[in-house]
Amino acid sequence: SQTIHQWPATLVQPVGSPLSLECTVEGTSNPNLYWYRQAAGRGLQLLFYSVGIGQISSEVPQNLSASRPQDRQFILSSKKLLLSDSGFYLCAWRDFNEQYFGPGTRLTVT
Amino acid sequence: GQQLNQSPQSMFIQEGEDVSMNCTSSSIFNTWLWYKQDPGEGPVLLIALYKAGELTSNGRLTAQFGITRKDSFLNISASIPSDVGIYFCAGRSTGGTSYGKLTFGQGTILTVHP
Repeated sequence: SQTIHQWPATLVQPVGSPLSLECTVEGTSNPNLYWYRQAAGRGLQLLFYSVGIGQISSEVPQNLSASRPQDRQFILSSKKLLLSDSGFYLCAWRDFNEQYFGPGTRLTVT
Repeated sequence: GQQLNQSPQSMFIQEGEDVSMNCTSSSIFNTWLWYKQDPGEGPVLLIALYKAGELTSNGRLTAQFGITRKDSFLNISASIPSDVGIYFCAGRSTGGTSYGKLTFGQGTILTVHP
């Protein structure tokens, strides 16, 4: 069966520090992968999606970037965090017509 | 762009009551998905719908894909305290280069009083 992992689960970072969030999927190959941000427990905002290694599409211009160095690995990064980057970050993968989410990373920028 | 209007935004009900929520779209979708999110966790897929008019159940949950393909509803019967959470609808449109991108509703916050 397929599983999706995210780490870390929680993170507290100061403004201006770098960020790296990791997502890995097991049990499938060449999945479509997605990064979402959720603020205040409502509304899922799509940030990036990837259909393959090295292929990244950005949905919203912002302070973040994404990379896909391996087939089942998706990374969300920032060089300098802003206070507005705080939120709950969710990775997801697509299985035919369905989409499954990871457990999420709670990021607090102080 | 595509928009999904999900209503109601929140519901406060007594245990044992039935719940109904719905989503309407400005665009036609070929897939409707319903998720539940518990606090601090990722959304969990409850029901997937693929055909207009389709009615699908998962335990006490029932969801329907609207005939116009622009709406869907979710019903929860005989609610229990563990039904508390945020429910999201999501739709995927036909064709194009959407790469499977889903459009999400803003969520319905459900509170169940024992």
